[in-house]
Parts: sequence; structure tokens; C-alpha cells
Amino acid sequence: ILNVEQSPQSLHVQEGDSTNFTCSFPSSNFYALHWYRWETAKSPEALFVMTLNGDEKKKGRISATLNTKEGYSYLYIKGSQPEDSATYLCAFQPINTDKLIFGTGTRLQVFP
Amino acid sequence: GAVVSQHPSWVICKSGTSVKIECRSLDFQATTMFWYRQFPKQSLMLMATSNEGSKATYEQGVEKDKFLINHASLTLSTLTVTSAHPEDSSFYICSAGTELAGSYNSPLHFGNGTRLTVT
Repeated sequence: ILNVEQSPQSLHVQEGDSTNFTCSFPSSNFYALHWYRWETAKSPEALFVMTLNGDEKKKGRISATLNTKEGYSYLYIKGSQPEDSATYLCAFQPINTDKLIFGTGTRLQVFP
Repeated sequence: GAVVSQHPSWVICKSGTSVKIECRSLDFQATTMFWYRQFPKQSLMLMATSNEGSKATYEQGVEKDKFLINHASLTLSTLTVTSAHPEDSSFYICSAGTELAGSYNSPLHFGNGTRLTVT
């Protein structure tokens, strides 16, 4: 059974704080790791798709790193803002398939 | 771009009735649609993958006769929950892959999801 785990489950931070959370995934048969941002009552929005070990991607104040050998990815948010409040999902994509296996997400709340 | 419209957003139905959920790609052609289900405090679980013009592929443990999937065109896929029971109450969400031949690592584009409650 392929397992994708995210930690922490939830996180409350003050506006301006930087934060990070983890996604753990199988280190074998790796093809890609996806990050999505899911705001309440909206659809999940793609943040990053990462494929190479050591990859680091950035989108504004959000960045992500990838370690495929040990099976983890970190998502960082610098200077959190209330509008960053959302659930952040990661999804593991095994080789030779377009199916994604999702973690349960990290729910971030940023207080002004 | 890459908008996926899913409706209804929520539906309440009586046990034994059927419910149809529609998922449309508005500004792109979705050759593949994925249907997920999420129970409280659990992850999105893939139910089935549908490709335009062919039969859906169901994941292990998902009853194909209960969850009917039709992908009749490149912009529309439907999920029908037949003879719904209270245990089918869940959050159902579709996602579409954009048409990038040979590219398996494109991000998915999701609908807003449908909250189904069966009484």
C-alpha cells in the first residue's frame, strides 16, 4: 500500500511568521510530487509539480524542496499572510501512471 | 485558464435514489477525468479514471455498478451514484488532466466538489 503522510495536521501561526510543513512519500517508483493549495469552498489549486531529486521551486512567498532518495518534500511559506490560510495537499505520482496518491493535508490558519 | 466546473455543489437525497454529478472542463479538453471521494479527516481517494469515449477504470474496492461514470465528450464527465445509501454520504470531487501528449507530470485541475448527503 502506497502511503503519503503530511505533518503537521494543522498549524496556527501569526501573520508575518514563516512556516513549513512536510510531505513523506515512498522513495521507490517515484515519478513526481505535486503540491496543491485548497481554500475552503474552492477547488484545489496546483502550486508545484516536482520531479527531480534536489529540485527547489518557488512561487512568490511559497517554496518547496524535494528529496526523492529519502522520500520527503518540504513546503515553506515566508511571512505568512491571512490569505495563505488553506489546506495544503501533497500528492505522490508513481512511475508510469497519471494517478495521484494524496496525503491528508496540512491545514494552515494565519491570524492577523 | 484550465477551469473545471462541477455541480451540484451539494445535494441531499433519500436512500435508494440516484444522484448525478457533472464535471465540465470549460476552456480546455480533458482527455482524462479522475473522480475522488473524501471522507472526513481522510485523504482524497481515487475512485476511478475515465477517458473520453471509453469505459472508466475503477480502483480496487469501488463498485462500478454503483458508481456509474460516463465520459461522453472531451469536456464532460458524469458520476452517477445509483441507489444511494447513507454510507455513500461523502465529498466527491473531479479533476481533469490537460491534454499534454506524453507528459505525465502536468498538474490536475479540480472542480469545487460535491457534498452528498443521503438520508
